[in-house]
Amino acid sequence: QKEVEQNSGPLSVPEGAIASLNCTYSDRGSQSFFWYRQYSGKSPELIMFIYSNGDKEDGRFTAQLNKASQYVSLLIRDSQPSDSATYLCAVITGGGNKLTFGTGTQLKVEL
Amino acid sequence: SAVISQKPSRDICQRGTSLTIQCQVDSQVTMMFWYRQQPGQSLTLIATANQGSEATYESGFVIDKFPISRPNLTFSTLTVSNMSPEDSSIYLCSVTRQTPWETQYFGPGTRLLVL
Repeated sequence: QKEVEQNSGPLSVPEGAIASLNCTYSDRGSQSFFWYRQYSGKSPELIMFIYSNGDKEDGRFTAQLNKASQYVSLLIRDSQPSDSATYLCAVITGGGNKLTFGTGTQLKVEL
Repeated sequence: SAVISQKPSRDICQRGTSLTIQCQVDSQVTMMFWYRQQPGQSLTLIATANQGSEATYESGFVIDKFPISRPNLTFSTLTVSNMSPEDSSIYLCSVTRQTPWETQYFGPGTRLLVL
């Protein structure tokens, strides 16, 4: 079982819709969770981090964490074509500073 | 966040040669890391660069192949030694600051092609 799993996609949503990106992780001791956005040919850009169960909102982005079920999700409201990118879920594992990445979900927002 | 620069931004190298990649941050950071992203793949941690001591390598990566230096709190280098075409990747450095202390910010990356 991979430590961090994501559906590779592509996930296609129409402009203005809500995009829902999901991620599961295997280390029950993980405490810190991150979402990065990566445009083609660019380096990952931090979107959000979440530490506590529940929802955390930042503009059009909402991160959701459920530690009991070991999943974290990212919702993007009012999706725009500029949101088209690969979204990487990352988890601090091993009780230290090691950041383990999922394989990423490619999001396509269509006009 | 931190302003992170990497040199070179890209390079084409011949097999058997070595390339040193530099990572410079605009202010002191707590930790520095080196990642590799192979074509179409996600990021894999190579090592943690420790200031003034040997880097901590992840499973599958060794110092002879990827020597790392971190002489101070704002600078680190990664050398890819005795390169083969399989080393063609994007190499990224990342840093953390004191708050939020686990959040990593990435440099722009170095795109390496080995012929």
